[in-house]
Amino acid sequence: DGGITQSPKYLFRKEGQNVTLSCEQNLNHDAMYWYRQDPGQGLRLIYYSQIVNDFQKGDIAEGYSVSREKKESFPLTVTSAQKNPTAFYLCASSIARGGSYGYTFGSGTRLTVV
Amino acid sequence: AQRVTQPEKLLSVFKGAPVELKCNYSYSGSPELFWYVQYSRQRLQLLLRHISRESIKGFTADLNKGETSFHLKKPFAQEEDSAMYYCALSGSSGSARQLTFGSGTQLTVLP
Repeated sequence: DGGITQSPKYLFRKEGQNVTLSCEQNLNHDAMYWYRQDPGQGLRLIYYSQIVNDFQKGDIAEGYSVSREKKESFPLTVTSAQKNPTAFYLCASSIARGGSYGYTFGSGTRLTVV
Repeated sequence: AQRVTQPEKLLSVFKGAPVELKCNYSYSGSPELFWYVQYSRQRLQLLLRHISRESIKGFTADLNKGETSFHLKKPFAQEEDSAMYYCALSGSSGSARQLTFGSGTQLTVLP
């Protein structure tokens, strides 16, 4: 069953800690994306990657880091530098240059700072 | 720069009434527009895209380049249409295509 898997579903972080959110896809999509979803603000792009070993900053990359060592995986690290990390995080993938086909989304990870 | 505006955060209609969710965009190139929907406790999913000119679950949306709009319409709303709806624009940045989302409209269809 093809799709995108995000884990964990819920994550709690203490102040000053780094945490990593997992995103895995078996759709053979080249491009992957991380979005942050906040009430009233829609989805904002954090990072995206078109191909293995390459990624680009989105609109709100500060305080986040990513890696793309494998085509299937695009983990997101929320660092202690991110001032307001509590949010819902969505991972997505698409066929490269496949804007016409839209994105496939994961089910999300809700991160809470305690 | 590309931008998507959904002016209504909340929209309520009665079952059987027509519904229109507004979406305006700004983009200097030739955009591709989408509507995504997120039902309660489900993942965000593609509803329809302008390029295919399709009707999904009774919803349609027409791209109006003159008014830079892509409003979502349905003639007779159903209770199961209650969800969060996002309008999105795909524009190219270098060689990448990225989706820019609006802030969303929460649609509630009342019985």
